[in-house]
Amino acid sequence: SQQGEEDPQALSIQEGENATMNCSYKTSINNLQWYRQNSGRGLVHLILIRSNEREKHSGRLRVTLDTSKKSSSLLITASRAADTASYFCATDPGNYGQNFVFGPGTRLSVLP
Amino acid sequence: GAVVSQHPSWVICKSGTSVKIECRSLDFQATTMFWYRQFPKQSLMLMATSNEGSKATYEQGVEKDKFLINHASLTLSTLTVTSAHPEDSSFYICSAPGYSYSAGELFFGEGSRLTVL
Repeated sequence: SQQGEEDPQALSIQEGENATMNCSYKTSINNLQWYRQNSGRGLVHLILIRSNEREKHSGRLRVTLDTSKKSSSLLITASRAADTASYFCATDPGNYGQNFVFGPGTRLSVLP
Repeated sequence: GAVVSQHPSWVICKSGTSVKIECRSLDFQATTMFWYRQFPKQSLMLMATSNEGSKATYEQGVEKDKFLINHASLTLSTLTVTSAHPEDSSFYICSAPGYSYSAGELFFGEGSRLTVL
């Protein structure tokens, strides 16, 4: 069953603006990960945040995790047209890749 | 990072034929691989877990006789869609845990788009 739920489902912004996507989940996790998928392609791992971490940065990406609310957010700063893609959160219970659950994804469109 | 190669990237076949999709880990060994199905504008749905040297584990509702999985080596898993029908048309993606699973990430193939006429 799909545990991670992203919102919004679709987001359209202008180049240079920040994009924020949220993810909620239901059960306990070992870590939460964000992936990106360009249209018709495979998924690319962006960032992983462990259950004992609250915030993590990677370049223009900032991820937060609130385990008490079972939610996470992905912030992309200074967006570019090349950031246009679908973004998925995935919860990992820490079972060596098994029982990964992907959310429905947020389709981000960055307009030039 | 680790590389997972998937082949073919797209295939068109007639109804009733079988189609094989390969998933290879190019620079690491993968005792486990995962097969997903993705419909347009939807998320990934796990179909089965492929285990090297043993039988695959299928998710509820996935027909194991329809979607045959063989994980014959530490670098190759195959998914065969048998007697394909138009409703099997979809985007199929494989993944494998990285060589350093303490990192936790999955490495994905580029996906295979199957169209059954």
